[in-house]
Amino acid sequence: GAVVSQHPSWVICKSGTSVKIECRSLDFQATTMFWYRQFPKQSLMLMATSNEGSKATYEQGVEKDKFLINHASLTLSTLTVTSAHPEDSSFYICSALWGQGGETQYFGPGTRLLVL
Amino acid sequence: AQSVTQLDSHVSVSEGTPVLLRCNYSSSYSPSLFWYVQHPNKGLQLLLKYTSAATLVKGINGFEAEFKKSETSFHLTKPSAHMSDAAEYFCVVTLSGTYKYIFGTGTRLKVLA
Repeated sequence: GAVVSQHPSWVICKSGTSVKIECRSLDFQATTMFWYRQFPKQSLMLMATSNEGSKATYEQGVEKDKFLINHASLTLSTLTVTSAHPEDSSFYICSALWGQGGETQYFGPGTRLLVL
Repeated sequence: AQSVTQLDSHVSVSEGTPVLLRCNYSSSYSPSLFWYVQHPNKGLQLLLKYTSAATLVKGINGFEAEFKKSETSFHLTKPSAHMSDAAEYFCVVTLSGTYKYIFGTGTRLKVLA
């Protein structure tokens, strides 16, 4: 149980294009999902909290118009990187809250984005 | 404010020898604590969690951790390392009043043949 998938696992795009990343909870419903960014050999940086049916809450310094998050159903959250630039190249990981107390995050396998 | 410190950025052990990955936390309340493992270019996998039940927590793949309030520690151990244990390990504490995670900086475990 508590499996989270991400699609795509790899994406290469040209500068100026938009890229959408999907995060799905496969065997449970997740009212809350999180989006992280990870730079090489570093820890995870929380970008935003995604709540089903409401607007995402962004961390300080994260541009909400740049990183659009939609959580339209209890099993799907999407992150769209708009007008991507090379500095947006990174490893993006999502997680979903699940558990008896709802306190445990289960992580997706990550999406590697390379902007040329 | 909550924080978590992983005392070693790199740990090397020989296959078959014990593993100790150290984690200290700071929290003004009774925290939830987690250990996750990340293999290269992969997401994070939950190893174990402490949520104010038993102080000795057993996880997957032979790992366990002991919550010691007096020492504010939550060290991860395994009796015998396997080559497949080579990965990055993250100690995590939850931010008070939220489900947000505060991550440690990670410990890279290397297992020597």
